[in-house]
Amino acid sequence: NAGVTQTPKFRILKIGQSMTLQCAQDMNHNYMYWYRQDPGMGLKLIYYSVGAGITDKGEVPNGYNVSRSTTEDFPLRLELAAPSQTSVYFCASSYSGGGYQPQHFGDGTRLSIL
Amino acid sequence: DAKTTQPPSMDCAEGRAANLPCNHSTISGNEYVYWYRQIHSQGPQYIIHGLKNNETNEMASLIITEDRKSSTLILPHATLRDTAVYYCIVRPRLSNDYKLSFGAGTTVTVRA
Repeated sequence: NAGVTQTPKFRILKIGQSMTLQCAQDMNHNYMYWYRQDPGMGLKLIYYSVGAGITDKGEVPNGYNVSRSTTEDFPLRLELAAPSQTSVYFCASSYSGGGYQPQHFGDGTRLSIL
Repeated sequence: DAKTTQPPSMDCAEGRAANLPCNHSTISGNEYVYWYRQIHSQGPQYIIHGLKNNETNEMASLIITEDRKSSTLILPHATLRDTAVYYCIVRPRLSNDYKLSFGAGTTVTVRA
């Protein structure tokens, strides 16, 4: 029972490099989300998807891109990494979008941009 | 969404029940009460949620008052691994606002 799996767990990037954070869920959830959490702060929604082929921006989408080609996978792409993107990134999924069903989170990817 | 109020911190003895209170006096009829926790350096973990009936699962019990203005999360036999920040939030059943917003939560320290 894997739930939401994120890879890698840790990564250090140089300014200007690019990378893809991977997220996969095995719960057949329609909705998937990407959040970032800065030290001592709350969650900020980056992007979300309501189903395969459908994505939309959250509150802090600049500098990121996503795709959702399958129900299971929702990768987050960082282009031209900047120090402000140093954060912990969490992927989450839920069966539906409202409060009727909970969001389940992965263990996060800790990203440092130097 | 309705706001919630939680005590900033509480201690609990290992093996004892931990009772975590939450006030949500402005909750509306279609809003669920949710509990999550975040153990240091880990992702938020869903614990339990309910609308108006008491709920129990393998992790915890949720007691919601009849007027729904407050609730209590009960960890029946706290262990050291239950040390975490616990968040009580309310979520409308139907909403296009998908973002989870946690407040300051309650920092629970389980002591041996």
